[in-house]
Order: sequence, then C-alpha cells, then structure tokens
Amino acid sequence: NAGVTQTPKFQVLKTGQSMTLQCAQDMNHNSMYWYRQDPGMGLRLIYYSASEGTTDKGEVPNGYNVSRLNKREFSLRLESAAPSQTSVYFCASSETPFYQPQHFGDGTRLSIL
Amino acid sequence: AQSVTQLGSHVSVSEGALVLLRCNYSSSVPPYLFWYVQYPNQGLQLLLKYTSAATLVKGINDFEAEFKKSETSFHLTKPSAHMSDAAEYFCAVSPDNYGQNFVFGPGTRLSVLP
Repeated sequence: NAGVTQTPKFQVLKTGQSMTLQCAQDMNHNSMYWYRQDPGMGLRLIYYSASEGTTDKGEVPNGYNVSRLNKREFSLRLESAAPSQTSVYFCASSETPFYQPQHFGDGTRLSIL
Repeated sequence: AQSVTQLGSHVSVSEGALVLLRCNYSSSVPPYLFWYVQYPNQGLQLLLKYTSAATLVKGINDFEAEFKKSETSFHLTKPSAHMSDAAEYFCAVSPDNYGQNFVFGPGTRLSVLP
C-alpha cells in the first residue's frame, strides 16, 4: 500500500544548484499537486496537474518547474535554488480535479545554504 | 478570495479532556470545508469534510466539526483526547471542491499531556 511516494526524503543544496523532486502515485489518480509547507503558513500550492499532459501554476510557482511524466509521476524542479526555497515539499493526489487532495506523500525536507 | 484563520498555533490539553481546535473562514460563496491531520514526519490525512449535506460532520477517530454559517466557523472537537491525537491540524476551505482552489490554514499543533 505505497500510496504517494516522494524521493528524496532529505536534501541539502547550495544556492544556485538545481535538483528535481520526484513523486509517484500508484492509485491511478488523475490529479496531482505539489505544495510547500513553511512554519505558520500552512500548505501553499506550487503547481498542479489536473490530468496527464496538463500542468498549471498554483499560488507560489516562481522558481519552480514541473513535469507530468505520465499518469503516475509528477516531478518538481528547482533550476537555481535559493535560500527562500528552504521548505518541506509535499506531493499529493486526488481521483479527479473535482475532489480534495486525498493522499499525501511523507514530504521532502529541503535546505538551501 | 478565501482565507482561513486558525486561532492558536499551539493548544495543549490533558489526556481525557475535550479537544477544541478553532477554524474561521472567509469565502464569497458557500464553501467546502475540511480538516486534515499531520503526524510527525508524515503527510496530511483527511479527517473530515463539510459539503453542505449536514452541519455536524463526523470524521475518523471520534473527531467531529460543526459548520456555523452565522459565525463563519468550522471548529474541530473531540470529547476525550488521547495521547495519539498529538499532531498538527489544518483547516482548509475551497469554493468548489476543485483541488487547485484549496486554501489551507496555518495549522494548530495539539499537545496531549499525560
């Protein structure tokens, strides 16, 4: 019962480095989401994908890009990491766009020095 | 625009005591309302949701929440706290239940004291 799997779980980067956060779900869900969680601010939506082949910006997309590789996988890329992107990143999925985020991964804790 | 306020970033209760976590929202349309729980080092799990069918909503682990339109509130309660309830709780609002339109509150950390 894997659900939503995120890799890596932890990462430390230097300012200006790039990296890709991976997310995969095995529930045949159509919609996937990337959030960042910062203390006192709850979760904020970075990008989402309503269905395979589509992606759209959320509340805080600057500095990020995404790829919906197939129905299972949705990756988040930081092209040039900045200290302000230090956060915990969560991937989530839902059966359809018209449904609340149902399943969340355990998060990627990212520190940028 | 929607927003969610959770009064109290940290709430402590004794084991067996009533749990009350507050959530107030602003929305231009009748909203969908949700409570999620996050245990340490895990993602969020849905506790319960309000979708206009009934104002008192029951969720998992004996949690429930009541939608009060006049007070724009959706407070979460549990009659008797258990040590395993220690976690962070997030209230969320959406105007239409579309996943991309969710707005999460800042969260309330619940501590349960023995």
